[in-house]
Amino acid sequence: SQQGEEDPQALSIQEGENATMNCSYKTSINNLQWYRQNSGRGLVHLILIRSNEREKHSGRLRVTLDTSKKSSSLLITASRAADTASYFCATDSQRNNDMRFGAGTRLTVKP
Amino acid sequence: GAGVSQTPSNKVTEKGKYVELRCDPISGHTALYWYRQSLGQGPEFLIYFQGTGAADDSGLPNDRFFAVRPEGSVSTLKIQRTERGDSAVYLCASSLTGRARTEAFFGQGTRLTVV
Repeated sequence: SQQGEEDPQALSIQEGENATMNCSYKTSINNLQWYRQNSGRGLVHLILIRSNEREKHSGRLRVTLDTSKKSSSLLITASRAADTASYFCATDSQRNNDMRFGAGTRLTVKP
Repeated sequence: GAGVSQTPSNKVTEKGKYVELRCDPISGHTALYWYRQSLGQGPEFLIYFQGTGAADDSGLPNDRFFAVRPEGSVSTLKIQRTERGDSAVYLCASSLTGRARTEAFFGQGTRLTVV
């Protein structure tokens, strides 16, 4: 079963705009990670945020985590056409030690 | 190796046949995950190994699916009596430690087509 759910399912923006994607999950977690996928093949890790952290930055990426609402957001600033991809959140849970993904947000950045 | 390697990259098989999909994780990674992904969907969890043992196999859809990791390194996902609904991209990932505490590195996947 899936743990996280991203929204929106699809997002289309112009180059230079910011893109915000959200992830909600169901059970208590230890960590939440964001991944990117091009062309339906291998996923690439973007950022990991732990349950005791509220915000984390990496380059143009900003991730927030609100454990009281069981939600996270990924913000990509100053988007580029090369950011076009699917973005997934992945959570472990305090009950299971594996890693489960949501259905993803398909981001299209138009040049 | 430099990354997670999955072989074959593509596999076409006839309905009812047996297939094996191989995953070579990054050396030293104790955790190994198998997922399958259909077009437009997120990766669906199948099984998670910590070392040689399956720490969680709750995602295997039925008893036609089985996975092993006998020496704590290479893993093989085995599918018996394949069905058309098994067609998907099968992804393998490894990480240094388990419990999703560190980033996972993914292979490029095996695209399985059952005809």
